[in-house]
Amino acid sequence: AQTIHQWPVAEIKAVGSPLSLGCTIKGKSSPNLYWYWQATGGTLQQLFYSITVGQVESVVQLNLSASRPKDDQFILSTEKLLLSHSGFYLCAWSLVDWASAETLYFGSGTRLTVL
Amino acid sequence: QQNVQQSPESLIVPEGARTSLNCTFSDSASQYFWWYRQHSGKAPKALMSIFSNGEKEEGRFTIHLNKASLHFSLHIRDSQPSDSALYLCAVSMGGGYKVVFGSGTRLLVSP
Repeated sequence: AQTIHQWPVAEIKAVGSPLSLGCTIKGKSSPNLYWYWQATGGTLQQLFYSITVGQVESVVQLNLSASRPKDDQFILSTEKLLLSHSGFYLCAWSLVDWASAETLYFGSGTRLTVL
Repeated sequence: QQNVQQSPESLIVPEGARTSLNCTFSDSASQYFWWYRQHSGKAPKALMSIFSNGEKEEGRFTIHLNKASLHFSLHIRDSQPSDSALYLCAVSMGGGYKVVFGSGTRLLVSP
């Protein structure tokens, strides 16, 4: 069975400080990987997606970057946090086949508070 | 740019009622449609999907899709307090790895 683990569960950070969030997917080789951001009570906004190691596509610019250093790992980072970065960050994976299209399977998320 | 809108924003229904949630999308080339459910503080989880016009039923849940009207909906029969959650609709063009979500409908089922 596939499992997705996100870390950390929660972070409280100062404005201007760096950030690194991560997720690991086990039990599925070469999945599509995604980062989503959800402001409190807000819409899920897709940030990045990756279909293979080393390749990441940006969907929206929020002064964040993403990398996929291994097939099963996806990292979200920034060198300088803004207050607007606060929210719920979700990593997700999807199967690469037409039958399930891009049904997303989410990790448990990281709640980020920027002060 | 795909625009996905949900209505109503929030809904309170009594236990046992039938609940209807709506989603409209702007791009007629959209191919894949989902409903996700997100309980408070948790991650969203796919509830149902539909990939062609018509209706699909799974237990108490039914999804309708009308591509010509740029509209799909979720109907919950015999609503239960455990159905209380944020319901998110999602739309994809397919092949582009971009899945766009609506802003959600917050459902509260009162016992």
